[in-house]
Amino acid sequence: TQLLEQSPQFLSIQEGENLTVYCNSSSVFSSLQWYRQEPGEGPVLLVTVVTGGEVKKLKRLTFQFGDARKDSSLHITAAQPGDTGLYLCAGFLSNDYKLSFGAGTTVTVRA
Amino acid sequence: NAGVTQTPKFRVLKTGQSMTLLCAQDMNHEYMYWYRQDPGMGLRLIHYSVGEGTTAKGEVPDGYNVSRLKKQNFLLGLESAAPSQTSVYFCASSYTSGGIGTQYFGPGTRLLVL
Repeated sequence: TQLLEQSPQFLSIQEGENLTVYCNSSSVFSSLQWYRQEPGEGPVLLVTVVTGGEVKKLKRLTFQFGDARKDSSLHITAAQPGDTGLYLCAGFLSNDYKLSFGAGTTVTVRA
Repeated sequence: NAGVTQTPKFRVLKTGQSMTLLCAQDMNHEYMYWYRQDPGMGLRLIHYSVGEGTTAKGEVPDGYNVSRLKKQNFLLGLESAAPSQTSVYFCASSYTSGGIGTQYFGPGTRLLVL
């Protein structure tokens, strides 16, 4: 059983559409991170959210940390083919320095 | 800076064979990690190190051993490979631990055990 559950597992949309990926847990995290991984490469950090209720924006990507610090979401506005990849959420439990990863969401944006 | 590099990129082993995966980082990071990535399961921590000469078990350590003799290198060993160890292995390093620490990942080693 994974500590972090991501949904959906797969997402295929047309260029210009919006999408949201969810990351949920029953545990409280001191921080949550989102990574993007492209085929044949390692994950690359997109953002870290630390405060409950925090919202961070990175160009067309919006990240939100739940008020109770148990969940997070990633919203992409006007998706582009370059957004295609595997999106992973990962979190640090309090007093722990090991990252726990979700299973990932594979996003495909069709031109 | 090369960041985090992994050797080899791809390897095929027969059941029972042994091998060592090498991870090197040039960022002077204290913390280093080995993960395996399997379809539908995300990344799972195998072993990690909080500094030169130290190692600790992660979530799935069975069948693997590690060593951190030099700060910049973290070795992952498979003493007797099994088909269940077919996976993509990623090494990562970080300057800080937990909280806001950023982990930098290598490109991965694809291992197939027949």
